[in-house]
Amino acid sequence: GAGVSQSPRYKVAKRGQDVALRCDPISGHVSLFWYQQALGQGPEFLTYFQNEAQLDKSGLPSDRFFAERPEGSVSTLKIQRTQQEDSAVYLCASSLGAGLDEQYFGPGTRLTVT
Amino acid sequence: AQSVTQLGSHVSVSEGALVLLRCNYSSSVPPYLFWYVQYPNQGLQLLLKYTSAATLVKGINGFEAEFKKSETSFHLTKPSAHMSDAAEYFCAVLGNQFYFGTGTSLTVIP
Repeated sequence: GAGVSQSPRYKVAKRGQDVALRCDPISGHVSLFWYQQALGQGPEFLTYFQNEAQLDKSGLPSDRFFAERPEGSVSTLKIQRTQQEDSAVYLCASSLGAGLDEQYFGPGTRLTVT
Repeated sequence: AQSVTQLGSHVSVSEGALVLLRCNYSSSVPPYLFWYVQYPNQGLQLLLKYTSAATLVKGINGFEAEFKKSETSFHLTKPSAHMSDAAEYFCAVLGNQFYFGTGTSLTVIP
């Protein structure tokens, strides 16, 4: 049974570039979450999907951040015109049900903006 | 609103000694509380969770935590530290989303 996978594991982008981060949740998991984890901090919520519906995007820091999950499985977090303050680890998590229960985390994508 | 505070960003213990990682929560409703562990370059792994059943919760790897409403605490303990316990530990409370603490880095000294 594969867990949550994320790609790429590491990404270096020049300031101003667009990036796309991919998350493959556990098969059959209804809920999918994105978090941003800055160095030395805990994960901070970005957005939440239930199947293909984005139910909560209140944590997205700016309109440069966009997430989608068009078929209710794989999700992509896109950051446009990256800034240095976007440098962080981006974690994806999925959970089986529609409620907020145990979440299974992927290994994260470490984004460095230079 | 819900939040958690982890006291002590770094904790060092000797191998075989008691591990105590502190977490205090703030919640306007009965909380669901979690402890996660994060090993270097890995995602978070659930250690244990409290969902208003027994106040003493046992988790994986010999860890346990006790929910104390009077102290608004959910401290994580392990009787005897192993070298493999060295990691980052996060307390979290479930509201309309997960709210994580800032983490405690545990070092185990041989």
